[in-house]
Amino acid sequence: GAGVSQSPSNKVTEKGKDVELRCDPISGHTALYWYRQSLGQGLEFLIYFQGNSAPDKSGLPSDRFSAERTGGSVSTLTIQRTQQEDSAVYLCASSSRRILSSGANVLTFGAGSRLTVL
Amino acid sequence: SQQGEEDPQALSIQEGENATMNCSYKTSINNLQWYRQNSGRGLVHLILIRSNEREKHSGRLRVTLDTSKKSSSLLITASRAADTASYFCATVDPRYSGGSNYKLTFGKGTLLTVNP
Repeated sequence: GAGVSQSPSNKVTEKGKDVELRCDPISGHTALYWYRQSLGQGLEFLIYFQGNSAPDKSGLPSDRFSAERTGGSVSTLTIQRTQQEDSAVYLCASSSRRILSSGANVLTFGAGSRLTVL
Repeated sequence: SQQGEEDPQALSIQEGENATMNCSYKTSINNLQWYRQNSGRGLVHLILIRSNEREKHSGRLRVTLDTSKKSSSLLITASRAADTASYFCATVDPRYSGGSNYKLTFGKGTLLTVNP
């Protein structure tokens, strides 16, 4: 697609419910990132996928968080048993391998999924 | 831990004035990027400066990099109301400076308000 698409744009859920957030990166972009942005805060790295390599999950805050990327394209971030502190904007970004090979990577972000846990 | 930190946290100016935002980082870098985020939207890449560059221009944007002080500045000249946004600097986590594993870390941003 022309840009990074994320859905849903807004999600309100009750504490304890599971949620799934979807990211559709730019076609051909091999690198995909998930970040979390809490109110008034910077971006917190969650997970990184690069091609067929094992993902970097070092930023996932707990085992309630998981992510997968099917077929090297669409990614789903799943939060199980949501808590109020999970409320945030979840941003997905993708990057081209061509940019990576030049020694620099420029990320293209989606508009984010705003999660509110009541 | 946070690699980049922007200063000031918030900046309010009048249209037509220049806006300067600063970024400090902790470890060696290969490059530094600046991104803009309009309210309720994702981040948009503005400019990238490599570690062997000292200054770079793009339209009304001017970025400087001082690797000896581990700092960068973003100058927006002749600001417009449409420049109102949060501005973030981003650097590559040095643990991933080689190979294909590039993890960008972001600061908390500077909220710029340009009043008409």
